[in-house]
Amino acid sequence: NAGVTQTPKFRILKIGQSMTLQCTQDMNHNYMYWYRQDPGMGLKLIYYSVGAGITDKGEVPNGYNVSRSTTEDFPLRLELAAPSQTSVYFCASMKGNTEAFFGQGTRLTVV
Amino acid sequence: GESVGLHLPTLSVQEGDNSIINCAYSNSASDYFIWYKQESGKGPQFIIDIRSNMDKRQGQRVTVLLNKTVKHLSLQIAATQPGDSAVYFCAENSMDSSYKLIFGSGTRLLVRP
Repeated sequence: NAGVTQTPKFRILKIGQSMTLQCTQDMNHNYMYWYRQDPGMGLKLIYYSVGAGITDKGEVPNGYNVSRSTTEDFPLRLELAAPSQTSVYFCASMKGNTEAFFGQGTRLTVV
Repeated sequence: GESVGLHLPTLSVQEGDNSIINCAYSNSASDYFIWYKQESGKGPQFIIDIRSNMDKRQGQRVTVLLNKTVKHLSLQIAATQPGDSAVYFCAENSMDSSYKLIFGSGTRLLVRP
């Protein structure tokens, strides 16, 4: 069972570069989430989606963009990478008000 | 704003003892609460959940207690084992917030042999 798949697992970006973090789930879940986790800290919600075509801001959306053109995919876009965006990024999906399933994370370093 | 927080950042227990991890939440409209375990280098893993119409739920070696009066959540781990060493997060969700799943800051559990 694939569950939630994130790519890439690791990435180093230079300041000002752009990239897209990919997230896909095969569980037909309506709800999808992007979180960032700084070292030794908790998970902060960046953006979330309650279904295809619908996205909304979380706690820390600045510097990021998302889209949800299909149920399966929820990519996270960084347009102008900054050192403050160095973090581990987790994608999650959920079916209604039940447990969320997480991917294994993308470790991003901006230098 | 609404938040979910934890009282203790680090908890150290002796192997075999019971562990209690606490969490305070501020959104009285939250109707679903989840505990997650995160091991180093991995994504969070579901442990147990509880809905707001319950005050206690038991799993295998774990129990979650919900006190809506004081907006407090706790995770009890019986006979703590070395494999329980990890960071534990509580999270809250509600239909009112369009299922915006918010996490607390986490507690690191260290199990001494």
